[in-house]
Amino acid sequence: SSELTQEPPVSVALGQTVKIACQGDSLRSYYASWYQQKPGQAPVLVIYGKNNRPSGIPDRFSGSFSGDTASLTITGAQAEDEADYYCNSRDSSGNHDYVFGTGTKVTVL
Amino acid sequence: QVQLVQSGAEVKKPGASVKVSCKVSTYTLTELSMHWVRQAPGKGLEWMGGFHPEDGETIYAQKFQGRVTMTEDTSTDTAYMELSSLRSEDTAVYYCATVVHDYYDSSPSYPHWGQGTLVTVSS
Repeated sequence: SSELTQEPPVSVALGQTVKIACQGDSLRSYYASWYQQKPGQAPVLVIYGKNNRPSGIPDRFSGSFSGDTASLTITGAQAEDEADYYCNSRDSSGNHDYVFGTGTKVTVL
Repeated sequence: QVQLVQSGAEVKKPGASVKVSCKVSTYTLTELSMHWVRQAPGKGLEWMGGFHPEDGETIYAQKFQGRVTMTEDTSTDTAYMELSSLRSEDTAVYYCATVVHDYYDSSPSYPHWGQGTLVTVSS
């Protein structure tokens, strides 16, 4: 299957920690990458591979994985972290498809 | 830093075609693998297809096969996505994005994105 399922909207208090998950069979074969998208803007890559951050992404963003689930953690959430977050990977069943998760809205209170 | 600049917004009638361009700068198109992703209003990201470096072919999501064509002009470092037989459900922002695959396990990521092109399909 090439589906990636993410959880419903979540909220986090300013300065607290939030962890969001992405589940799919393909994550047993490939790492997920994570994207932050704010209204009216293009997505921005925040985590890729085992747990890598592109240049300029704060170290409060981290990634982890277990079995068929990848997770993105924001430790010490800031107001500017309020956004939609999407995971992405590729199909592992033999076709060449790539897939994005359903997205999770993170609200910082 | 790779820069991707897309063409402007389009309004099309149902049944028409649209061609969106994505100009690459600071790198050449031959150094990159380009994919296309769309986002309908209020909805999530949807992968449409793109260049598959592992076999050198252009691949399309099954949903769009027969209706989408992705091409590249290496002389101008411009990628194109053409979608035909447009319907109202194709109203969306269309993004080009470069894909990178991990050397060891081929896990993908999209480090660079265009600014997006709004395509509105309306009679």
